Amino acid sequence: AQSVTQPDIHITVSEGASLELRCNYSYGATPYLFWYVQSPGQGLQLLLKYFSGDTLVQGIKGFEAEFKRSQSSFNLRKPSVHWSDAAEYFCAVGNNDMRFGAGTRLTVKP
Amino acid sequence: DAGITQSPRYKITETGRQVTLMCHQTWSHSYMFWYRQDLGHGLRLIYYSAAADITDKGEVPDGYVVSRSKTENFPLTLESATRSQTSVYFCASSDGDGNQPQHFGDGTRLSIL
Repeated sequence: AQSVTQPDIHITVSEGASLELRCNYSYGATPYLFWYVQSPGQGLQLLLKYFSGDTLVQGIKGFEAEFKRSQSSFNLRKPSVHWSDAAEYFCAVGNNDMRFGAGTRLTVKP
Repeated sequence: DAGITQSPRYKITETGRQVTLMCHQTWSHSYMFWYRQDLGHGLRLIYYSAAADITDKGEVPDGYVVSRSKTENFPLTLESATRSQTSVYFCASSDGDGNQPQHFGDGTRLSIL
């Protein structure tokens, strides 16, 4: 069965520092992989997705993610975090019946 | 403005009552989804719909009913609400590019007493 693990419940980074949010998945075939962001009181916004091809995927808001099949990972990165990036981030895998991770809450220190 | 509208935003009801959560989208997207969000679980898919009159179960469908008589509407009904259904419910849509949720509503916070 497909599943997603986000090992970090909460991460704090300083503004301007680099960011990496971890995501590990379990899936029977070539996975479709996604990252979403959720601000308080709002729905999720799709940051980026991977279906096939280039394993480094560019998304909105300066985010990117790299698919590593050998590690079953799809980590999200950003070179320089802004205070407005503080939010909850969700990794997801699958097609129609998607599975979401439990989320990583990002706090940005001034 | 185009988008997904969920109503109500907040709802309090009692166990055993029937409650319907509404979802309306203005894009004419073919796919629509209902998720529930609970602390520590992320989002879990309840039902999804590929088109009008086509619906299918997700990960946690028990206790829920959906219908899709029109492309733009996808109501979710709890026929006899239970406390375990207290949650935040999100509706989402997709234009069919991969069939995954692309646009989310702002959610309905449902409390069942």
